[in-house]
Amino acid sequence: DQQVKQNSPSLSVQEGRISILNCDYTNSMFDYFLWYKKYPAEGPTFLISISSIKDKNEDGRFTVFLNKSAKHLSLHIVPSQPGDSAVYFCAASVPSNTGKLIFGQGTTLQVKP
Amino acid sequence: NAGVTQTPKFQVLKTGQSMTLQCAQDMNHNSMYWYRQDPGMGLRLIYYSASEGTTDKGEVPNGYNVSRLNKREFSLRLESAAPSQTSVYFCASSEEGLGYGYTFGSGTRLTVV
Repeated sequence: DQQVKQNSPSLSVQEGRISILNCDYTNSMFDYFLWYKKYPAEGPTFLISISSIKDKNEDGRFTVFLNKSAKHLSLHIVPSQPGDSAVYFCAASVPSNTGKLIFGQGTTLQVKP
Repeated sequence: NAGVTQTPKFQVLKTGQSMTLQCAQDMNHNSMYWYRQDPGMGLRLIYYSASEGTTDKGEVPNGYNVSRLNKREFSLRLESAAPSQTSVYFCASSEEGLGYGYTFGSGTRLTVV
């Protein structure tokens, strides 16, 4: 039972355009949502997060939107750059003092020059 | 600042062999985690340690054991490796037990033949 789902395995966009990566979840008790970026042969790196009490968080070119009623979040990258080409994972935090994260399957983003 | 260090980076095992994956962090984090990454499955939690002296099962613990040796080190042991354990293994640590920004190691690519 996949509690966090990224239904698009891949996405290709042109440099300078907007990239939108989507993520759906089933557990309404998740309290934090995070996005990670992963390059080949490296570990994932933290990108941006959002609390379940907010609906938007922005950090430079990256914005995460949370729609709690739809149990959906999205990551917007504007403008997209070739260096953004990577696998993006969304993750959700289980409310507890353990810090456990549940990850989605990942979406491979390719930004074409 | 090394962050999270995993050893080895690559390993090939024969079915039935045992091995221990090592992980150490130098950020004084309380919580540490072991994940495996498989194509189309994302990152799945194997075991975690919310604090020194405690360990708990994650989503896919079967066939694995862990040891939180001290605050810095968290090892993952495969007692009798199986081909289904072929995967990329990531260790991570976090500053607080709230799911904020894990720091991941660079991974161990394990092949069981």
